[in-house]
Amino acid sequence: KNQVEQSPQSLIILEGKNCTLQCNYTVSPFSNLRWYKQDTGRGPVSLTIMTFSENTKSNGRYTATLDADTKQSSLHITASQLSDSASYICVVSDRGSTLGRLYFGRGTQLTVWP
Amino acid sequence: EADIYQTPRYLVIGTGKKITLECSQTMGHDKMYWYQQDPGMELHLIHYSYGVNSTEKGDLSSESTVSRIRTEHFPLTLESARPSHTSQYLCASSDDGGDGGGDNQPQHFGDGTRLSIL
Repeated sequence: KNQVEQSPQSLIILEGKNCTLQCNYTVSPFSNLRWYKQDTGRGPVSLTIMTFSENTKSNGRYTATLDADTKQSSLHITASQLSDSASYICVVSDRGSTLGRLYFGRGTQLTVWP
Repeated sequence: EADIYQTPRYLVIGTGKKITLECSQTMGHDKMYWYQQDPGMELHLIHYSYGVNSTEKGDLSSESTVSRIRTEHFPLTLESARPSHTSQYLCASSDDGGDGGGDNQPQHFGDGTRLSIL
């Protein structure tokens, strides 16, 4: 069964600290892996998209890694800011159709305290 | 910021009413999607469209219907709302990447409509 599991479910860190969010997936065949940030009451916003051949991609203070062999990804946030408080969603796409079926994780709820 | 808009942002309405949730995008994207999201849960695809006059049902069974008469507009309709339809509805669009596939293109989401049926 194609699934995307994220951990931890929630995380609280102090402003300025770093953190790493985890994503494990069983989706096959694999096309790409995406990380989205969803602020409360808003729609998700794309942070990174990685294909099979990419093992790291950065977007400012966000760095995503991908290990396609172990089917794991992580999102590392450096020097966290209050505005980083949000839900971070891992999404994996298969190649089963031209649509690129997307499998969504439930997200990690990150809270950054001052 | 992506140019995709949803209205209304919030809607509280009684059982049995007909509801239309609006979604418009100004990016010229051919692909559009409707998702349903409950608190703390993953997004579930309920409808999608490859382009004008194309609509397909998603993975999650839904009593809603959609139409795609214009590229920029993808409204969702509930003929008779019930309390079980209470949820957040997110609209998204994506480019085809120029190769007809577009699997590696990001989806751009609207800010959603939070629907409550009394």
